[in-house]
Amino acid sequence: EVQLVESGGGLVKPGESLRLSCAASGLSLSTYNMNWVRQAPGKGLEWVSSITRGSRDISYADSLKGRFTISRDDAQNSLYLQMNSLRAEDTAVYYCARSDNFWWYFGLWGRGTLVTVSS
Amino acid sequence: EIVMTQSPATLSVSPGERATLSCRASQSVGSNLAWYQQKPGQAPRLLISGASTRATGIPARFSGSGSGTDFTLTISSLQSEDFAVYYCQQYIKWPLTFGGGTKVEIK
Repeated sequence: EVQLVESGGGLVKPGESLRLSCAASGLSLSTYNMNWVRQAPGKGLEWVSSITRGSRDISYADSLKGRFTISRDDAQNSLYLQMNSLRAEDTAVYYCARSDNFWWYFGLWGRGTLVTVSS
Repeated sequence: EIVMTQSPATLSVSPGERATLSCRASQSVGSNLAWYQQKPGQAPRLLISGASTRATGIPARFSGSGSGTDFTLTISSLQSEDFAVYYCQQYIKWPLTFGGGTKVEIK
């Protein structure tokens, strides 16, 4: 079965860091551009970051102001999101999503991992 | 940033009826528009890309149309499993942006 599985979420205090992982099975991540999308509780979808095949190009939402870093390890078939200086407004479900056909829509989503930032 | 505006915020429809959802972009996105369905507690699912191309396994009752700044998602005859929140997303320009969503509820 083709799937993406996120992990690494949890409860952290403001200012702390967290690293999310996304493991792929049934597909080779190396052939895809990949993304992180988040959804605050009861809110809509917000694009966070994208990375091309081979990590050639990386993009971030302006609101992150350099606090987040996306990376990938194709040998491990995994995608990562390092989140530093976390704030209450970063509280959300974080989804890993695959882009298809070299366009930047999201053809396959993981089930998400919840990050809660609270003191 | 391209702002995506969806209307209405909530659409009340009876099973078997037609639902028409709108998405407007603040500037032209060509046909670089996708639609997603999200049910409570689930991840979004791709329905439509390229404004009108159904994703694999998506029933024919879902159709997308439009180009430029105005787009429509039509569900021809609502089934019980179609009651959900629908989002549009443009992917022509960074940052990638989503609309605020339309909730389709049972009337």
